[in-house]
Amino acid sequence: GQSLEQPSEVTAVEGAIVQINCTYQTSGFYGLSWYQQHDGGAPTFLSYNALDGLEETGRFSSFLSRSDSYGYLLLQELQMKDSASYFCAVRDNTGGFKTIFGAGTRLFVKA
Amino acid sequence: DVKVTQSSRYLVKRTGEKVFLECVQDMDHENMFWYRQDPGLGLRLIYFSYDVKMKEKGDIPEGYSVSREKKERFSLILESASTNQTSMYLCASSFGTHYNSPLHFGNGTRLTVT
Repeated sequence: GQSLEQPSEVTAVEGAIVQINCTYQTSGFYGLSWYQQHDGGAPTFLSYNALDGLEETGRFSSFLSRSDSYGYLLLQELQMKDSASYFCAVRDNTGGFKTIFGAGTRLFVKA
Repeated sequence: DVKVTQSSRYLVKRTGEKVFLECVQDMDHENMFWYRQDPGLGLRLIYFSYDVKMKEKGDIPEGYSVSREKKERFSLILESASTNQTSMYLCASSFGTHYNSPLHFGNGTRLTVT
């Protein structure tokens, strides 16, 4: 089966750096994605890693280690608006590219 | 911008009713998905479809069925609603066969079964 584990909550202060970890178990791994969801809103895509290493997109970076079945999302220069839930997701090779999500990490950014 | 539209934002139904949740996307995406979201459980995949009239079970298909008669529309059906199906339902779509193709979500339908 497939499973993803991530912390349920993380708290950080404005301007800080925070790392949200994700470990996964899946067959036919085809990449790790991250999504952000604000309260009452729809999840929105942040990043995708298919290969080992760090991908940077502005203040957000995502890292993948396939040998460790591990990835993380790094948020720098935290802002209040970054308070949201963050989900890691894996895609396997099932027809239609089935995408499975973790339970989500609730990030609280304090002033 | 991709738009995924779910027909209702809030829905209240009675136990035993047949419930239809509708989802339409406007970007000619091949893949469409139905998830339910519950506190502490994240998004759980109910069904997905990679082509018209094609459907695949996700992780929690029991009590649900789906229909995809047209490429842009994917319907989730609760044959006989039960209180444990009270949840937020999210529809999503994605493009073709690219592994890095992101999912685009609708705003969700909050279903309450009483």
